[in-house]
Amino acid sequence: SAVISQKPSRDICQRGTSLTIQCQVDSQVTMMFWYRQQPGQSLTLIATANQGSEATYESGFVIDKFPISRPNLTFSTLTVSNMSPEDSSIYLCSVGGGFTDTQYFGPGTRLTVL
Amino acid sequence: AQSVTQLGSHVSVSEGALVLLRCNYSSSVPPYLFWYVQYPNQGLQLLLKYTSAATLVKGINGFEAEFKKSETSFHLTKPSAHMSDAAEYFCAVSVPRTGRRALTFGSGTRLQVQP
Repeated sequence: SAVISQKPSRDICQRGTSLTIQCQVDSQVTMMFWYRQQPGQSLTLIATANQGSEATYESGFVIDKFPISRPNLTFSTLTVSNMSPEDSSIYLCSVGGGFTDTQYFGPGTRLTVL
Repeated sequence: AQSVTQLGSHVSVSEGALVLLRCNYSSSVPPYLFWYVQYPNQGLQLLLKYTSAATLVKGINGFEAEFKKSETSFHLTKPSAHMSDAAEYFCAVSVPRTGRRALTFGSGTRLQVQP
């Protein structure tokens, strides 16, 4: 299984600012995913990030709000732009691959927007 | 489109009792199914997965799940609950044949284990 780290692990931010979350994997992976988990709720896919192509966003999520970079096969960033309190969530990256499509998750970034 | 329904947002059992967490899926093509566990303030850990091989799947920590196509179910069970099993459990589905490799999650079930 892949070992995934995220930075920062948590942050408290002011309304209107932006935060960039980093996701680092210990092996090369084709597909990376970014999920959001709002307080007390399940996980919702934000976007799929493949190296060398534009991220694919799910309905309700737009690139201007959640720009994603995927510069190589072991790293990705998600930026939460122009934050509001409604963006307070845990943001998780995951990687998938192989025949069984098992996905492994990072520890998450806990974001609080004041 | 695929979806997952978890029946019961909260389940409470006594230590040593049977654990049963329910998951039903909807998919137009054969799905892959997963159970993940999330302990407080932690990320998600894979418990077990079904990928069209054996219908009874054994996972970590004594958990198992049975894929029942006729019932479109993938319920998670453990014969004897332990205090350390208290956590949030998520059922998830993917349908790689459609090109969608991301996971669709159920709403989650919080398991409480009473002493």
